[in-house]
Amino acid sequence: DIQLTQSPSFLSASVGDRVTITCRASQGISSYLAWYQQKPGKAPKLLIYAASTLQSGVPSRFSGSGSGTEFTLTISSLQPEDFATYYCQQLNSYPSVTFGQGTKVEIK
Amino acid sequence: VQLLESGGGLVQPGGSLRLSCAASGFTFRSYAMHWVRQAPGKGPDWLSFISYDGSNKKYVASVMGRFTISRDSSKNTLYLEMNSLRPEDTAVYFCVRGGMYDDYAYFDYWGQGTLVTVSS
Repeated sequence: DIQLTQSPSFLSASVGDRVTITCRASQGISSYLAWYQQKPGKAPKLLIYAASTLQSGVPSRFSGSGSGTEFTLTISSLQPEDFATYYCQQLNSYPSVTFGQGTKVEIK
Repeated sequence: VQLLESGGGLVQPGGSLRLSCAASGFTFRSYAMHWVRQAPGKGPDWLSFISYDGSNKKYVASVMGRFTISRDSSKNTLYLEMNSLRPEDTAVYFCVRGGMYDDYAYFDYWGQGTLVTVSS
């Protein structure tokens, strides 16, 4: 099974900060990686797919990069509505997919 | 696109439950579907997949032999039959739209989830 490890698990930041979250895969997954945002009591929301493609309707302050085993999600200027938990997901072994353990972004 | 899960609730260990997911807003019979669950305070875990025509089914190892995925395209409904439930199956269960026909797809449409609690 392909494991995904996110870092950090917890992040404290201020509005306007640039934030970067890393996701490392236990083996190469090409660009079959997505990022999701989840707020309490809601389903995850797709932000980025194919490692770097922004989902329709997602603000351009979100960006993704990477391939192979190392990936990053960057929020260029953190906004109040961005405080949430973020998950990466690999689809290299679709339909069996796995998620990272999450990164919670909280207000400093 | 709308996905609406139902059937969750409190069940004793060893018990059974059947979840349903009513789909609308797209041609259900043309899309694969998934079940994903999320235990309290944890990340999502993929559980099961069914192809658009029901001919191909996949499960995560931890539920194989206990859970059964199925679909009724005449009713636009996805099901998850859960047997021999354990406390560690306690989670919110989401249905998720998969790819069209045999294509893979990122998880762009999720239901709102239904809570399953396994406890005596």
